[in-house]
Amino acid sequence: KAGVTQTPRYLIKTRGQQVTLSCSPISGHRSVSWYQQTPGQGLQFLFEYFSETQRNKGNFPGRFSGRQFSNSRSEMNVSTLELGDSALYLCASSFAGKGDTQYFGPGTRLTVL
Amino acid sequence: DQQVKQNSPSLSVQEGRISILNCDYTNSMFDYFLWYKKYPAEGPTFLISISSIKDKNEDGRFTVFLNKSAKHLSLHIVPSQPGDSAVYFCAASALDSNYQLIWGAGTKLIIKP
Repeated sequence: KAGVTQTPRYLIKTRGQQVTLSCSPISGHRSVSWYQQTPGQGLQFLFEYFSETQRNKGNFPGRFSGRQFSNSRSEMNVSTLELGDSALYLCASSFAGKGDTQYFGPGTRLTVL
Repeated sequence: DQQVKQNSPSLSVQEGRISILNCDYTNSMFDYFLWYKKYPAEGPTFLISISSIKDKNEDGRFTVFLNKSAKHLSLHIVPSQPGDSAVYFCAASALDSNYQLIWGAGTKLIIKP
């Protein structure tokens, strides 16, 4: 079974731009969660999607948004990029969320200049 | 306010000896705890978990201990091997927060030959 894939792996943007990151979950998994990882901060939860609906949301500003498609693939969008948005963005999939083991993709490294 | 804390950013252990990674939490509602391991340029991978109804869970060289009264858990790796060098994250979840995972900042484990 193929693992979680994320594209692109690396991205460089400038302040004020917007960016869209993509995540393809493991086949059969319906829950997709997004995390931001910065040095020394661990993983900060952004949001979780299940069956195309946002089921859970972390404490991030509205510039961070996401969606999930009918095939469970998910996208995350960040508008009006700030320098502090530079981070590793990780996507994780699980069968149904809610305590299921999460399987992570390799992440997208976003650098904002 | 960090609900899950890993107070040691790094730990160095001799190959063959025991590695002990610690994690403290503040939310008494947490009822499920997990350890993930992360290599550079890869997403975290699930290692071992424990439910709050247990105080120990073992899987091969990995054992997790939970002390609910102290709100403390630890991961023991015996014997430590070079491939164990990675960043280890502790995470916790609770039914009342829809099982959203709350993550520690990670501990970098270095196994010395």
